Amino acid sequence: AQRVTQPEKLLSVFKGAPVELKCNYSYSGSPELFWYVQYSRQRLQLLLRHISRESIKGFTADLNKGETSFHLKKPFAQEEDSAMYYCALEGASGSRLTFGEGTQLTVNP
Amino acid sequence: GAVVSQHPSWVICKSGTSVKIECRSLDFQATTMFWYRQFPKQSLMLMATSNEGSKATYEQGVEKDKFLINHASLTLSTLTVTSAHPEDSSFYICSARGAGTGTREQYFGPGTRLTVT
Repeated sequence: AQRVTQPEKLLSVFKGAPVELKCNYSYSGSPELFWYVQYSRQRLQLLLRHISRESIKGFTADLNKGETSFHLKKPFAQEEDSAMYYCALEGASGSRLTFGEGTQLTVNP
Repeated sequence: GAVVSQHPSWVICKSGTSVKIECRSLDFQATTMFWYRQFPKQSLMLMATSNEGSKATYEQGVEKDKFLINHASLTLSTLTVTSAHPEDSSFYICSARGAGTGTREQYFGPGTRLTVT
Protein backbone atom coordinates (compact mmCIF):
# COMPACT_ATOMS: atom_id res chain seq x y z
CA ALA A 1 0.00 0.00 0.00
CA GLN A 2 1.13 3.54 -0.62
CA ARG A 3 0.56 6.39 1.78
CA VAL A 4 1.50 10.05 1.94
CA THR A 5 1.48 12.08 5.12
CA GLN A 6 1.66 15.84 5.41
CA PRO A 7 1.73 16.50 9.13
CA GLU A 8 0.90 20.21 8.94
CA LYS A 9 -2.53 21.28 7.74
CA LEU A 10 -1.70 24.94 8.18
CA LEU A 11 1.61 26.74 7.97
CA SER A 12 2.08 30.45 8.35
CA VAL A 13 5.31 32.36 7.80
CA PHE A 14 6.36 35.92 7.18
CA LYS A 15 7.57 37.18 3.84
CA GLY A 16 11.28 36.58 3.41
CA ALA A 17 11.39 33.76 5.96
CA PRO A 18 12.40 30.24 5.01
CA VAL A 19 9.63 27.73 4.63
CA GLU A 20 9.57 23.93 4.73
CA LEU A 21 6.49 21.85 3.99
CA LYS A 22 6.90 18.33 5.27
CA CYS A 23 5.96 15.19 3.40
CA ASN A 24 6.57 11.59 4.43
CA TYR A 25 5.59 8.54 2.48
CA SER A 26 5.38 4.80 2.73
CA TYR A 27 5.88 2.59 -0.29
CA SER A 28 7.72 -0.66 -0.67
CA GLY A 29 9.19 -0.04 -4.12
CA SER A 30 10.75 2.93 -5.88
CA PRO A 31 8.22 5.73 -5.88
CA GLU A 32 7.97 8.84 -7.93
CA LEU A 33 7.20 11.86 -5.77
CA PHE A 34 5.52 15.09 -6.75
CA TRP A 35 4.53 18.39 -5.25
CA TYR A 36 1.33 19.94 -6.58
CA VAL A 37 0.11 23.45 -5.81
CA GLN A 38 -3.39 24.88 -5.89
CA TYR A 39 -3.66 28.66 -5.79
CA SER A 40 -6.92 30.22 -4.73
CA ARG A 41 -9.68 29.47 -7.25
CA GLN A 42 -7.27 27.79 -9.65
CA ARG A 43 -6.75 24.23 -10.71
CA LEU A 44 -4.20 21.89 -9.27
CA GLN A 45 -0.88 22.16 -11.06
CA LEU A 46 2.42 20.39 -10.85
CA LEU A 47 5.09 22.29 -8.99
CA LEU A 48 7.95 19.85 -9.20
CA ARG A 49 8.85 16.17 -9.28
CA HIS A 50 11.80 14.49 -7.68
CA ILE A 51 13.27 12.94 -10.80
CA SER A 52 13.71 16.35 -12.39
CA ARG A 53 15.78 17.68 -9.49
CA GLU A 54 14.78 21.15 -10.57
CA SER A 55 13.93 24.33 -8.76
CA ILE A 56 10.60 25.91 -9.60
CA LYS A 57 9.67 29.37 -8.27
CA GLY A 58 12.53 28.99 -5.83
CA PHE A 59 11.18 25.75 -4.38
CA THR A 60 13.24 22.58 -4.13
CA ALA A 61 12.53 19.14 -2.77
CA ASP A 62 14.93 16.30 -2.15
CA LEU A 63 13.89 12.70 -1.91
CA ASN A 64 15.35 11.12 1.21
CA LYS A 65 14.82 7.40 0.89
CA GLY A 66 16.31 6.68 4.30
CA GLU A 67 13.79 8.91 6.02
CA THR A 68 11.11 8.31 3.36
CA SER A 69 10.61 12.04 3.09
CA PHE A 70 10.19 14.57 0.31
CA HIS A 71 10.05 17.91 2.07
CA LEU A 72 9.45 21.07 0.03
CA LYS A 73 11.68 24.03 0.83
CA LYS A 74 12.11 27.63 -0.13
CA PRO A 75 14.71 29.90 1.46
CA PHE A 76 12.74 33.14 1.16
CA ALA A 77 8.95 32.90 1.04
CA GLN A 78 6.92 35.39 -0.98
CA GLU A 79 3.30 36.44 -0.49
CA GLU A 80 2.39 34.91 -3.84
CA ASP A 81 3.46 31.52 -2.52
CA SER A 82 0.33 31.43 -0.39
CA ALA A 83 -1.56 28.37 -1.61
CA MET A 84 -2.50 24.80 -0.87
CA TYR A 85 0.34 22.35 -1.40
CA TYR A 86 -0.11 18.65 -1.93
CA CYS A 87 2.56 16.01 -1.86
CA ALA A 88 1.79 13.02 -4.07
CA LEU A 89 3.27 9.61 -4.75
CA GLU A 90 3.03 7.33 -7.73
CA GLY A 91 4.23 3.77 -7.53
CA ALA A 92 4.74 1.54 -10.52
CA SER A 93 4.64 3.28 -13.87
CA GLY A 94 1.12 4.20 -14.82
CA SER A 95 -0.34 3.55 -11.41
CA ARG A 96 -2.50 5.84 -9.37
CA LEU A 97 -1.42 9.03 -7.61
CA THR A 98 -1.84 9.07 -3.87
CA PHE A 99 -2.16 12.54 -2.38
CA GLY A 100 -1.34 13.75 1.06
CA GLU A 101 -3.87 15.76 3.02
CA GLY A 102 -2.36 19.03 1.91
CA THR A 103 -0.77 21.97 3.69
CA GLN A 104 -2.27 25.44 3.45
CA LEU A 105 0.64 27.86 3.33
CA THR A 106 0.06 31.49 4.21
CA VAL A 107 2.84 34.00 3.72
CA ASN A 108 2.17 37.15 5.67
CA PRO A 109 3.52 40.56 4.63
CA GLY B 1 1.41 23.04 -21.81
CA ALA B 2 -1.24 20.37 -21.80
CA VAL B 3 -4.73 21.63 -21.01
CA VAL B 4 -7.65 19.74 -19.54
CA SER B 5 -11.12 21.22 -19.47
CA GLN B 6 -14.22 20.24 -17.57
CA HIS B 7 -17.83 21.03 -18.29
CA PRO B 8 -19.84 22.25 -16.57
CA SER B 9 -17.83 24.20 -14.01
CA TRP B 10 -20.76 24.06 -11.63
CA VAL B 11 -24.14 22.41 -11.61
CA ILE B 12 -27.14 22.31 -9.32
CA CYS B 13 -29.55 19.44 -9.64
CA LYS B 14 -32.49 18.00 -7.78
CA SER B 15 -32.24 14.85 -5.73
CA GLY B 16 -32.94 11.78 -7.82
CA THR B 17 -31.78 13.20 -11.13
CA SER B 18 -28.60 12.33 -13.02
CA VAL B 19 -25.76 14.66 -13.91
CA LYS B 20 -23.06 14.23 -16.51
CA ILE B 21 -19.64 15.86 -16.21
CA GLU B 22 -17.28 16.00 -19.17
CA CYS B 23 -13.50 15.99 -19.07
CA ARG B 24 -11.55 16.82 -22.21
CA SER B 25 -7.88 16.91 -23.06
CA LEU B 26 -7.62 19.84 -25.44
CA ASP B 27 -4.20 19.51 -27.00
CA PHE B 28 -3.07 15.98 -26.35
CA GLN B 29 -4.37 12.45 -26.43
CA ALA B 30 -5.12 11.07 -23.02
CA THR B 31 -4.88 7.32 -22.77
CA THR B 32 -5.67 7.47 -19.09
CA MET B 33 -8.02 9.74 -17.22
CA PHE B 34 -8.62 9.89 -13.53
CA TRP B 35 -11.64 11.10 -11.56
CA TYR B 36 -11.22 12.56 -8.10
CA ARG B 37 -13.56 13.88 -5.48
CA GLN B 38 -12.58 16.67 -3.14
CA PHE B 39 -14.46 17.72 -0.04
CA PRO B 40 -13.97 21.23 1.41
CA LYS B 41 -10.54 21.68 2.92
CA GLN B 42 -9.67 18.06 2.25
CA SER B 43 -7.43 16.22 -0.12
CA LEU B 44 -8.29 14.66 -3.45
CA MET B 45 -9.67 11.17 -3.27
CA LEU B 46 -9.30 9.02 -6.34
CA MET B 47 -12.62 7.59 -7.43
CA ALA B 48 -11.67 5.72 -10.58
CA THR B 49 -9.13 5.32 -13.34
CA SER B 50 -10.28 5.01 -16.91
CA ASN B 51 -8.31 3.87 -19.92
CA GLU B 52 -9.58 4.68 -23.36
CA GLY B 53 -11.72 1.92 -24.76
CA SER B 54 -11.90 -0.18 -21.62
CA LYS B 55 -13.92 -0.28 -18.44
CA ALA B 56 -12.98 2.02 -15.61
CA THR B 57 -11.26 0.70 -12.52
CA TYR B 58 -13.00 1.93 -9.40
CA GLU B 59 -11.43 2.50 -6.02
CA GLN B 60 -12.70 0.56 -3.06
CA GLY B 61 -15.90 2.00 -1.69
CA VAL B 62 -16.90 3.80 -4.90
CA GLU B 63 -20.18 2.57 -6.33
CA LYS B 64 -19.78 1.66 -9.98
CA ASP B 65 -23.49 1.88 -10.70
CA LYS B 66 -23.76 5.29 -9.16
CA PHE B 67 -20.72 6.89 -10.74
CA LEU B 68 -20.71 5.82 -14.37
CA ILE B 69 -17.50 6.54 -16.23
CA ASN B 70 -17.08 6.43 -19.97
CA HIS B 71 -13.82 7.00 -21.83
CA ALA B 72 -14.86 6.49 -25.40
CA SER B 73 -12.18 8.57 -27.08
CA LEU B 74 -8.62 9.71 -26.44
CA THR B 75 -9.78 13.22 -25.62
CA LEU B 76 -13.02 12.72 -23.70
CA SER B 77 -14.12 11.02 -20.51
CA THR B 78 -17.47 11.49 -18.81
CA LEU B 79 -18.61 10.95 -15.26
CA THR B 80 -22.34 10.50 -14.73
CA VAL B 81 -23.67 10.73 -11.21
CA THR B 82 -26.88 8.73 -11.32
CA SER B 83 -29.81 9.31 -8.99
CA ALA B 84 -27.91 12.03 -7.22
CA HIS B 85 -28.44 12.69 -3.53
CA PRO B 86 -27.34 15.60 -1.34
CA GLU B 87 -24.41 13.56 -0.02
CA ASP B 88 -23.05 13.44 -3.57
CA SER B 89 -22.55 17.20 -3.44
CA SER B 90 -18.85 17.75 -3.86
CA PHE B 91 -16.09 19.06 -6.09
CA TYR B 92 -15.25 16.59 -8.85
CA ILE B 93 -11.88 16.88 -10.57
CA CYS B 94 -10.54 14.97 -13.52
CA SER B 95 -6.98 14.58 -14.68
CA ALA B 96 -5.45 13.16 -17.80
CA ARG B 97 -2.17 11.57 -18.73
CA GLY B 98 -0.86 11.45 -22.26
CA ALA B 99 0.40 8.53 -24.24
CA GLY B 100 4.06 7.81 -24.83
CA THR B 101 5.31 10.98 -23.24
CA GLY B 102 7.68 9.16 -20.94
CA THR B 103 6.33 11.16 -18.06
CA ARG B 104 3.98 10.24 -15.28
CA GLU B 105 2.60 13.76 -15.04
CA GLN B 106 -1.12 14.17 -14.76
CA TYR B 107 -2.77 17.34 -15.99
CA PHE B 108 -5.74 18.47 -13.97
CA GLY B 109 -9.02 20.00 -14.99
CA PRO B 110 -10.46 23.00 -13.14
CA GLY B 111 -13.08 20.90 -11.39
CA THR B 112 -16.86 20.78 -11.33
CA ARG B 113 -18.87 21.87 -8.31
CA LEU B 114 -21.94 19.66 -7.93
CA THR B 115 -24.72 20.69 -5.57
CA VAL B 116 -27.66 18.35 -5.12
CA THR B 117 -30.72 19.89 -3.54
